[in-house]
Amino acid sequence: DVKVTQSSRYLVKRTGEKVFLECVQDMDHENMFWYRQDPGLGLRLIYFSYDVKMKEKGDIPEGYSVSREKKERFSLILESASTNQTSMYLCASSRPGLAGFEQYFGPGTRLTVT
Amino acid sequence: AQTVTQSQPEMSVQEAETVTLSCTYDTSESDYYLFWYKQPPSRQMILVIRQEAYKQQNATENRFSVNFQKAAKSFSLKISDSQLGDAAMYFCAYRSAAGAQKLVFGQGTRLTINP
Repeated sequence: DVKVTQSSRYLVKRTGEKVFLECVQDMDHENMFWYRQDPGLGLRLIYFSYDVKMKEKGDIPEGYSVSREKKERFSLILESASTNQTSMYLCASSRPGLAGFEQYFGPGTRLTVT
Repeated sequence: AQTVTQSQPEMSVQEAETVTLSCTYDTSESDYYLFWYKQPPSRQMILVIRQEAYKQQNATENRFSVNFQKAAKSFSLKISDSQLGDAAMYFCAYRSAAGAQKLVFGQGTRLTINP
């Protein structure tokens, strides 16, 4: 059974803290993605990665960075958390290629920044 | 840039009835993929159905089917014989067949099933 896991379901951090969100997939997928989900806005892509040590900016990368040192793990980093980064964060993975391969999602991390 | 619009923030339907969720998109590309994803309360997002733009035939998965109108850039999801387990947020998503493999999502529609 395919699996994408995220390190925390709920997280509360203070403004200015450095925050790490971890995502692990066990499907040997090359592609991994980080989205944030906000009511009325749907999911918006923050960063994605096609391979180890590769990363590309998505639609809303400001205030975030990522790290992919191993194929199965993709980390999202909030360098200095701000209240406007309070949101649900979803990680996903997929096979590579131009075919319409399904993205598999993790359960999400609900982050609150106070 | 591509955009996806879901104009119905909320929908409700009686159990066993049929409901249609709307989705429109904007693109200048001719080759792409469209998806409907389901996000049940407190559970992981899962794929419901997928449509390749080059296929004229509408995709079907059991009780779920789509009405894909390429010229109108419309991609609606029909759920037949609605069940309580269908209650969820539904997201329409677009993926280009070339270049970046990212998904562009709509705003979502929250579907409630009334017993």
